[in-house]
Amino acid sequence: QVQLVESGGGVVQPGRSLRLSCAASGFTFSSYGMHWVRQAPGKGLEWVAFFWYDGSNKYYVDSVKGRFTISKDNSKNTLYLQMNSLRAEDTAVYYCARERNYYDSSGTPAYWGQGTLVTVSS
Amino acid sequence: EIVLTQSPANLSLSPGERATLSCRASQSVSSYLAWYQQKPGQAPRLLIYDASNRATGIPARFSGSGSGTDFTLTISSLEPEDFAVYYCQHRSNWPWTFGQGTKVAIK
Repeated sequence: QVQLVESGGGVVQPGRSLRLSCAASGFTFSSYGMHWVRQAPGKGLEWVAFFWYDGSNKYYVDSVKGRFTISKDNSKNTLYLQMNSLRAEDTAVYYCARERNYYDSSGTPAYWGQGTLVTVSS
Repeated sequence: EIVLTQSPANLSLSPGERATLSCRASQSVSSYLAWYQQKPGQAPRLLIYDASNRATGIPARFSGSGSGTDFTLTISSLEPEDFAVYYCQHRSNWPWTFGQGTKVAIK
């Protein structure tokens, strides 16, 4: 069955960096687009980034553009989110999620990990 | 950016009752709308995609309708496990966005 396990969260000072990982199993990782979505404490859901199934494109929400980088290592079945210049408003649970269909980059995350908490605080 | 507005923000109902949740888009999203359920401490769960298609394993009591700017999620008869927060989400163009959520609570 599809499994997504995030790691790498923690407490970090403003301006510092953190790299999140999402280990995937139970499906052909290279064939799927992958998402990072975050949720600030007590708030709603916000897309962070998306990696096209074929690697041809990456999307970022404006608030993280230039600071965050999404990447995908198909040999390790792992999705990454490199987060630089972190701000207090980046504090959230970060979820990775798999696109619903293979060879599809249309924006329906159907399988989600349990999330990893990132706290940006001095 | 397309803004999704969900109503009501809170819904208080009893098990067995019908729940009707609304999602309105600031511009047309065609049928590119999904619904998710989230329980406390859990990840979101896809219920409905492309306005009216149930995701794998979703019970038939969940149904979605609408197109353009107005969408509805209906839970025909609430089960105890259905009390949660529900989000709508569009994929019409980037940035994809979520609504602010509707909390369905036990009356």
